[in-house]
Amino acid sequence: DAGITQSPRHKVTETGTPVTLRCHQTENHRYMYWYRQDPGHGLRLIHYSYGVKDTDKGEVSDGYSVSRSKTEDFLLTLESATSSQTSVYFCAISESPDRSGGQLFFGEGSRLTVL
Amino acid sequence: QQQVKQSPQSLIVQKGGIPIINCAYENTAFDYFPWYQQFPGKGPALLIAIRPDVSEKKEGRFTISFNKSAKQFSLHIMDSQPGDSATYFCAASGGGSNYKLTFGKGTLLTVNP
Repeated sequence: DAGITQSPRHKVTETGTPVTLRCHQTENHRYMYWYRQDPGHGLRLIHYSYGVKDTDKGEVSDGYSVSRSKTEDFLLTLESATSSQTSVYFCAISESPDRSGGQLFFGEGSRLTVL
Repeated sequence: QQQVKQSPQSLIVQKGGIPIINCAYENTAFDYFPWYQQFPGKGPALLIAIRPDVSEKKEGRFTISFNKSAKQFSLHIMDSQPGDSATYFCAASGGGSNYKLTFGKGTLLTVNP
């Protein structure tokens, strides 16, 4: 299994509070991603990173920010959580799409509930 | 705009049956089509993938069929087993964004004993 650790694995918070999810990898892969998974919507890309300090938006980036100060860590922040952000969040990594064919390795997910 | 459409949403088969999951895409620049398998409480994991230079790819009991002209691809599971019960996602990437996968909405497969 790819060395990907997400923390926390479960979190319950209240509307309006800030939340940070952490993804840590030990594979030294260049690309890192945050997806959210919701029933009926599948997996949707929030943000991704293609290197240290290099990030870009995905299809559902509103209300989320990310940071990557080290190769191994990719943080997802909800500045002011809303109930619509209740979801399961998955971090994924990829070595190099050209070499690996685009294979993503996923973490085990972080379940966030916003009350 | 949903770039990858997956059907059915759920599927129930008996052990030994051959479930088929279909996906259709819109972006003709896509050139990589993987399928991911996800068990409850786990992250998705790559099952099998295909590129458009071939029409079929087999790995064990899993087969991808690819129809470039129709912009469709499908997953077939031969001799399905209860252990194959999972959610399956098709995905696609390419066209200058080969580092970003676009996923279908998923199919929940149940294989009854």
